[in-house]
Amino acid sequence: GQQLNQSPQSMFIQEGEDVSMNCTSSSIFNTWLWYKQDPGEGPVLLIALYKAGELTSNGRLTAQFGITRKDSFLNISASIPSDVGIYFCAGQPRGGSEKLVFGKGTKLTVNP
Amino acid sequence: GAVVSQHPSRVICKSGTSVKIECRSLDFQATTMFWYRQFPKQSLMLMATSNEGSKATYEQGVEKDKFLINHASLTLSTLTVTSAHPEDSSFYICSARDERGTDTQYFGPGTRLTVL
Repeated sequence: GQQLNQSPQSMFIQEGEDVSMNCTSSSIFNTWLWYKQDPGEGPVLLIALYKAGELTSNGRLTAQFGITRKDSFLNISASIPSDVGIYFCAGQPRGGSEKLVFGKGTKLTVNP
Repeated sequence: GAVVSQHPSRVICKSGTSVKIECRSLDFQATTMFWYRQFPKQSLMLMATSNEGSKATYEQGVEKDKFLINHASLTLSTLTVTSAHPEDSSFYICSARDERGTDTQYFGPGTRLTVL
């Protein structure tokens, strides 16, 4: 089946540093989504991308939908302690399927 | 907005009993909702797609008689774990597809099920 390769698996950074994580696939996706999940909570949508090449920002977060439709990245600038959590990429494959394919997540730790 | 709620947030039950989990889209209608299961330190695993007015579509390996899904209205889907066993203990999360424009999925806060 289709898979998303998300990296890195975990990151340990200092407060104020910038962070970058990405997802790649061998398949084409129509939509890329980035979610953040806190412990014991459901994923919260951060950014949704619908067009190849699209670059979208949400505060300190910026994400891009790769031109090839096979990858996406998420950047977080000037990290703060509340950025701690697990970040998941998710994609909706081409072909009209309504199901999402999820990456395995990037666990972010921010040291004050 | 697009808010999805789940109830209960936590439930503890005895082996052999059934547990019902509700998923509601609070400010939009959703003909399609999804049920996921998440094991510790793992990603979300899709269990089934819930369709309003029709039968749910289950993923391979998910027992439909074990995990009963009912999508009774455009804002409510329920997941019933029947004859629960300790191995059913998990974090169950639903999502609802917002069909007002982009079909983006919004997630509920999750339900922690513990079967004793």
